[in-house]
Amino acid sequence: KAGVTQTPRYLIKTRGQQVTLSCSPISGHRSVSWYQQTPGQGLQFLFEYFSETQRNKGNFPGRFSGRQFSNSRSEMNVSTLELGDSALYLCASSSTGQGKHEQYFGPGTRLTVT
Amino acid sequence: GENVEQHPSTLSVQEGDSAVIKCTYSDSASNYFPWYKQELGKGPQLIIDIRSNVGEKKDQRIAVTLNKTAKHFSLHITETQPEDSAVYFCAAREWSSSASKIIFGSGTRLSIRP
Repeated sequence: KAGVTQTPRYLIKTRGQQVTLSCSPISGHRSVSWYQQTPGQGLQFLFEYFSETQRNKGNFPGRFSGRQFSNSRSEMNVSTLELGDSALYLCASSSTGQGKHEQYFGPGTRLTVT
Repeated sequence: GENVEQHPSTLSVQEGDSAVIKCTYSDSASNYFPWYKQELGKGPQLIIDIRSNVGEKKDQRIAVTLNKTAKHFSLHITETQPEDSAVYFCAAREWSSSASKIIFGSGTRLSIRP
């Protein structure tokens, strides 16, 4: 089956702009989570969605938001971009059942803020 | 706040030898401990996970051990091969709580010498 897809793969924005990133999960997966990866802070959890509801949120300012659609696709939005928002943004889709948890990450969106 | 410490930050082993990566966590409520492998230019891949009701889990050449009393867990890779070269991340979270956040270690860059 197709893997997790993220669009766009690369993005360059200027400070103050906003950006929307998209994630399409593996078919049948209802949970999507987002992460920020930077050389300085490493991997950090942003938020998690399940059946269109935000289930969990990391320690990021309100400029970071997200949503999930009825087809499980998810978007995240960052408003008023800052230089420090430059990072690789990863999404993962997951499914849990019969004592097993499977999780697959997409390739990420590389965001550069200038 | 919750913290996961990972050591070493870099590790170089001869092909065929074993590699061990160690993590400690601070939140005693954590009960789910996944390990991820990230190759250059790709998103992380969940390679093995363990829950706190189990002390050890194996999957072919990889194994994870958990010492809940000491709050540390380790990844063991035996008979290392060139394709094991990657960055490995440990993580911890409280699985049963919908409000829990996953915390990642800072990563270990593993290099396999031919």
